[in-house]
Amino acid sequence: ELKVEQNPLFLSMQEGKNYTIYCNYSTTSDRLYWYRQDPGKSLESLFVLLSNGAVKQEGRLMASLDTKARLSTLHITAAVHDLSATYFCAVGFYGGSQGNLIFGKGTKLSVKP
Amino acid sequence: GAGVSQSPRYKVAKRGQDVALRCDPISGHVSLFWYQQALGQGPEFLTYFQNEAQLDKSGLPSDRFFAERPEGSVSTLKIQRTQQEDSAVYLCASSRDYEQYFGPGTRLTVT
Repeated sequence: ELKVEQNPLFLSMQEGKNYTIYCNYSTTSDRLYWYRQDPGKSLESLFVLLSNGAVKQEGRLMASLDTKARLSTLHITAAVHDLSATYFCAVGFYGGSQGNLIFGKGTKLSVKP
Repeated sequence: GAGVSQSPRYKVAKRGQDVALRCDPISGHVSLFWYQQALGQGPEFLTYFQNEAQLDKSGLPSDRFFAERPEGSVSTLKIQRTQQEDSAVYLCASSRDYEQYFGPGTRLTVT
């Protein structure tokens, strides 16, 4: 059974600081996703990582993938209050009839002034 | 362009009632997914369609849950004889390739 584990589950940061969220998964996967969710809202796609060593950056967020270690990281640089949200990683498979994503429990990020 | 839409956005049902949740995917998207998100948790897979074919329903929690997509576009998730544990946000997503686009969700509260 595929498991996706995120840590930490809760993260309180000060503005201007850096931090990393970790996502471990238990089985070989085709692709790794990062989503953002604001309270009461749906999921906003941040990154899709498709191969070992993939690195993508958007603003203060950078995501990377190490398929051999089955690990993805979401690095936050110089955090600002607007980044406060819950961040989910999800693992996907597109072989055969499987297409669904398996999500982690999410990391609730709070950025304080 | 238009994204994935879902209706209703909020639904309150008394225990034992049947409910129907609708999803309008992005036009041209072949794949459609339903997820259930309990409060404070990540979304959990319910079922998956490719066009009108339901290829995977392994995530449906009981036989009270039923989904259909008869013409390969709009999909309906039906829950019969709702129970309190069915209270959650039901998310629909559609995709054409590997990227899944999520709708706003339907928040179901069973009283």
